[in-house]
Amino acid sequence: NAGVTQTPKFQVLKTGQSMTLQCAQDMNHEYMSWYRQDPGMGLRLIHYSVGAGITDQGEVPNGYNVSRSTTEDFPLRLLSAAPSQTSVYFCASGRAGVNTGELFFGEGSRLTVL
Amino acid sequence: RKEVEQDPGPFNVPEGATVAFNCTYSNSASQSFFWYRQDCRKEPKLLMSVYSSGNEDGRFTAQLNRASQYISLLIRDSKLSDSATYLCVVNPTYSGGYQKVTFGTGTKLQVIP
Repeated sequence: NAGVTQTPKFQVLKTGQSMTLQCAQDMNHEYMSWYRQDPGMGLRLIHYSVGAGITDQGEVPNGYNVSRSTTEDFPLRLLSAAPSQTSVYFCASGRAGVNTGELFFGEGSRLTVL
Repeated sequence: RKEVEQDPGPFNVPEGATVAFNCTYSNSASQSFFWYRQDCRKEPKLLMSVYSSGNEDGRFTAQLNRASQYISLLIRDSKLSDSATYLCVVNPTYSGGYQKVTFGTGTKLQVIP
């Protein structure tokens, strides 16, 4: 069972470079989201989506773009990487509705920006 | 006030002890609540849902107190393998129908031999 698949698992970027973190789920979940986790900060929501074509901002959206063209995929784009974006990124999916909080996470993508 | 607040700990407890964590939330319209467990350098995983009537799963008990706006997680007979960070999740519903899932910062538990 694939569940939620994130790629790449590790990435090193130089300041100003752009890249896309990929996220795919095979559970037909409506809800997908991206979080970043920094030491002592917990999980902070970047962007989320409740279905194909519908996205919204979370707490820390600046510097990131998302799109949701299919139910399965929810890529996160870093437009111009900055050292402050060094973090661990998690993608998560779940059903929409009252139980949206029952999320399944990918294994994470560890990004370092030099 | 933050939407979801947890004591970061760490809670250092001996094996066999009972330990409890609380998580307070600010949105009184919140409808559903969950506890997650996260091991070091791993992804969070759902531990249990929190129902209005409480929820028990083996050594773990989750409770909801709507009047005081907090949820709790009780772990009995702590095992070394329970050492992890425990995250609470509160799921509010917004008038636009969009739902954002907010995590607490987590409480770190270290069970000591």
